[in-house]
Amino acid sequence: DQQVKQNSPSLSVQEGRISILNCDYTNSMFDYFLWYKKYPAEGPTFLISISSIKDKNEDGRFTVFLNKSAKHLSLHIVPSQPGDSAVYFCAASAHNNAGNMLTFGGGTRLMVKP
Amino acid sequence: EAQVTQNPRYLITVTGKKLTVTCSQNMNHEYMSWYRQDPGLGLRQIYYSMNVEVTDKGDVPEGYKVSRKEKRNFPLILESPSPNQTSLYFCASSLLWTGNQPQHFGDGTRLSIL
Repeated sequence: DQQVKQNSPSLSVQEGRISILNCDYTNSMFDYFLWYKKYPAEGPTFLISISSIKDKNEDGRFTVFLNKSAKHLSLHIVPSQPGDSAVYFCAASAHNNAGNMLTFGGGTRLMVKP
Repeated sequence: EAQVTQNPRYLITVTGKKLTVTCSQNMNHEYMSWYRQDPGLGLRQIYYSMNVEVTDKGDVPEGYKVSRKEKRNFPLILESPSPNQTSLYFCASSLLWTGNQPQHFGDGTRLSIL
């Protein structure tokens, strides 16, 4: 049973518009959430994170929102650019997990059309 | 340049022939881990290491071995590979082992076991 789920395998957005990628989790012990971006033939690269003590974290065009009661987080990209086209993975961990184990969602492929 | 380096990048081999995928990081990170990526499942952790000579199982350790004799290296060993180990493998590292550290990933190793 997947503890972190990204229910949209793909998303297509026009350049300049907002991209919203969603992620749901089931484990209430998760208290740190990350988004990774992955281009073909490369490893995932860290994009942005949020601690459970916050409900929003912003870094330039990227904003992550966390709704703990709904066990839901989302990544907003504004404005979207063609270079944002990639697979985005949501991941979660628990601070009391000594193994720094990240639990990943299945990924969402974002396509930004020029 | 700070990086995680995996070798080989691609390998096609046959069932039962022992193989090793090497991983090296030059960032003096304490924590290293191995993941496999399969379609729709995201990345799943195989093994991790919190420091030299300290390793532990992740979510999917069956059929794999690891060792951590030096801080910078964390090889993944498949003693008797089977076709269900055909996958894309990623090595990752982070400065510390606590659960709020973004992990840095290598570019991946695509293994095909025939």
